[in-house]
Amino acid sequence: DIVMTQTPLSLPVTPGEPASISCRSSQRLLDRNDGNTYLDWYLQKPGQSPQLLIHTVSFRASGVPDRFSGSGSDTDFTLRISRVEAEDVGVYFCMQRLEFPITFGQGTRLEIK
Amino acid sequence: EVQLVESGGGLIQPGGSLRLSCAASGFSVSSKYMTWVRQAPGKGLEWVSVIYTGGSTYYADSVEGRFHIYIDNSKNTLYLQMNNLRAEDTAVYYCTREVGSMGYDPWGQGTLVTVSS
Repeated sequence: DIVMTQTPLSLPVTPGEPASISCRSSQRLLDRNDGNTYLDWYLQKPGQSPQLLIHTVSFRASGVPDRFSGSGSDTDFTLRISRVEAEDVGVYFCMQRLEFPITFGQGTRLEIK
Repeated sequence: EVQLVESGGGLIQPGGSLRLSCAASGFSVSSKYMTWVRQAPGKGLEWVSVIYTGGSTYYADSVEGRFHIYIDNSKNTLYLQMNNLRAEDTAVYYCTREVGSMGYDPWGQGTLVTVSS
């Protein structure tokens, strides 16, 4: 199974400040058949279902503010928030969809200082 | 508007069976890859199963042979038949759809399954 490792697991941030979450996979996530790298980011706000933020490393989902960005390649990926807002609190998960079983990172809990 | 609504969760004894439903609106469940993901209380996300548009199905090792994913086109609904339930199956179960390379979106609100005597 592909192991997904996120750091940090807890992230206190002052509003207006940037934030960064790292996700490392135990194998490359590039699909050589179609050229896509199947790494997504999801946010689970308190009491809510997960929601898609970023798909295939760097593509923002519809309606996601442009303060969210994703980057990376091979096995190292990063989610960045340029200026954290109060509504960004929750748990952020990275996920690989390259092969079964689909696997998630442990989650990073972002809280406001 | 694309929407997914799960139902069917509840309290069930170990060894029992339960069927979860995921009613879709705004699209046809047979046209997308449909997936179940679960989340044990206070824990992270665990992929459970997927059904492809051609009918192929895949399962996590932890549920293989006990769970069965299928769709009913006439009801535009995704199902998860869960048999021989164990305490470790206790979780909120979410359904979601995969749109090509574009990730899992949207997710339903989830339905809680509690396996306990």
